Parts: sequence; C-alpha cells; structure tokens
Amino acid sequence: SAVISQKPSRDICQRGTSLTIQCQVDSQVTMMFWYRQQPGQSLTLIATANQGSEATYESGFVIDKFPISRPNLTFSTLTVSNMSPEDSSIYLCSVRQGAGDTQYFGPGTRLTVL
Amino acid sequence: GENVEQHPSTLSVQEGDSAVIKCTYSDSASNYFPWYKQELGKGPQLIIDIRSNVGEKKDQRIAVTLNKTAKHFSLHITETQPEDSAVYFCAAEENNDMRFGAGTRLTVKP
Repeated sequence: SAVISQKPSRDICQRGTSLTIQCQVDSQVTMMFWYRQQPGQSLTLIATANQGSEATYESGFVIDKFPISRPNLTFSTLTVSNMSPEDSSIYLCSVRQGAGDTQYFGPGTRLTVL
Repeated sequence: GENVEQHPSTLSVQEGDSAVIKCTYSDSASNYFPWYKQELGKGPQLIIDIRSNVGEKKDQRIAVTLNKTAKHFSLHITETQPEDSAVYFCAAEENNDMRFGAGTRLTVKP
C-alpha cells in the first residue's frame, strides 16, 4: 500500500489569495490525482498530475485556477489561485500504479476561504 | 462516460444488524469496483474491491457482490458496530477512468 501525506491539513484563507497544497507519497507511483470534495458531497476529479508534462484537467477545471506540478514520482502540488468562498472544500491527493490497481487517498486538506 | 448511482444516501441500523448499500453503473466495459469508507475529517480508505471476473468477495464482516449482467454491485456489512458509522463510496473504473457514487452515510446506533 501507499502512504500519502498532505500539507497543510487545513487552512483558512482570505479571498483573492492563493494556497499551495503539497502531496508526498512514501513510494514511487505511476499515477497521481487531485480531487475536490465539497461539504457532504462525493469526490470530483480535478486533474491527473503528469510527471514532466502539463497536468490533464477535467471538464470545468483550468490550469490558471488550479496549477499543478509533479516534479517526480513521489511528489505533487496543487495551487488554488485567486480564491473565493466557493473554493472552500476538501482537496484530496490520490495515487495508484495503473488501471485496475488499488487507488489510495491522502488525508485531505480542508480549505476555508473567507 | 461512466455514471455511478448509489443508494441509499443515508442508512441507519441498530448495532448487530446488517447494512446493504447498492450501486449501479452504466458502462459495461467497467471492470474494477472498489468501496471506500470515509470517517469524519479523514480521507477515503479502501475497504474492499472486486474485479469483473469475480461475482462475490468477502473479508470478515464485509462482502461485495457483483452482477455484471445487471450492472450493479453491492456492499454488505454484517454484525454492524458503532465504529462502522461513516460515509461509504462505491466506484467503477473503465480504462483508468474512475467514477464515484454520491456516497451513503451509515449510522450504527448502539
């Protein structure tokens, strides 16, 4: 199994500012994902983080708002830019080795935007 | 793309009773079906999964059944305990595309 840590675990931010969330995995993984979970809701995929190239974004999510980096096979960052209260959510990092393999989730980052 | 529906949205049972959560999916090519448990303030944790070549899988008090013809799969928890209280998510995957159900909030009353 993969052990995933995220920093910060929670934050309260002012609107208009940006926050970068870090995801660290204890082993090399092929695939890394970023999800958003709004209060009481299911998991919505933001993007797949690709090592050495631009992330692949899902419909409704754009790079300018959610820039993602993945410098190696164990680390990724998600930035939430120019935040508004609507961005208040839990952001989850997730990893797996390939199709049909177990997918693991980090503990999440709880973001509140005032 | 894949669409996963999950029922019920909330479920309350007495300790010791069984709980069943059902999911349906739309893409017949889906071949991997995991279930996650999410406790308050934590990330989802995999509790059991099943692949399309298997009809049933059991792990102690938890079991999952899959009906590929009808395109539905279910989570069964027997002898429920208060610590089973959480939100449960089903998911279906086809070719690296994982889709999640809306979640079921299970409450086990002591």
